[in-house]
Amino acid sequence: DQQVKQNSPSLSVQEGRISILNCDYTNSMFDYFLWYKKYPAEGPTFLISISSIKDKNEDGRFTVFLNKSAKHLSLHIVPSQPGDSAVYFCAASGTGNNRKLIWGLGTSLAVNP
Amino acid sequence: EPEVTQTPSHQVTQMGQEVILRCVPISNHLYFYWYRQILGQKVEFLVSFYNNEISEKSEIFDDQFSVERPDGSNFTLKIRSTKLEDSAMYFCASSEGQGSYGYTFGSGTRLTVV
Repeated sequence: DQQVKQNSPSLSVQEGRISILNCDYTNSMFDYFLWYKKYPAEGPTFLISISSIKDKNEDGRFTVFLNKSAKHLSLHIVPSQPGDSAVYFCAASGTGNNRKLIWGLGTSLAVNP
Repeated sequence: EPEVTQTPSHQVTQMGQEVILRCVPISNHLYFYWYRQILGQKVEFLVSFYNNEISEKSEIFDDQFSVERPDGSNFTLKIRSTKLEDSAMYFCASSEGQGSYGYTFGSGTRLTVV
């Protein structure tokens, strides 16, 4: 049951260029979307989120875009830095009391100097 | 910055043995979670805990699993009789409130069942 899909297992970009990580979802009841970053041997770290009532949220170098009709969101990192190299997880949350997160499989980003 | 602490970082156990994974959530957080990630697979929700009781659990969280908040600071996950397929990274998380996305994860416990 892949409610949240990250179809690219890996991505490689040059330092200074834009990184675009994509995420698709199938459950129209999801109303909040989050991106987490994970380094090896560490837990996921919250990066940025977006509510379903918005189509864009920006925080410094990170911007998340949401296209509800396409059930698609993307994370843009501009400019990419070598320290951004990590696994990026897309997660979604629906209505309800518990806000459990449904996760994608992750995309491993490598930013090359 | 407040953090969620998990111990041990790595646990090796024999099949059939009981294990207890420990977590200290952020002190003013009210919601607690366990997730796990089997190598190469997705991060999966196991259980959420609020007001001293389980508020939601997944299909994975069967009778072999239990959670407890024994003393108001620790939050533990017990696996009664471990199976090989329980080998995974187990992440504890806590959040301030149900409407808040201040979800903070611990660095995880790698459980290896042999």
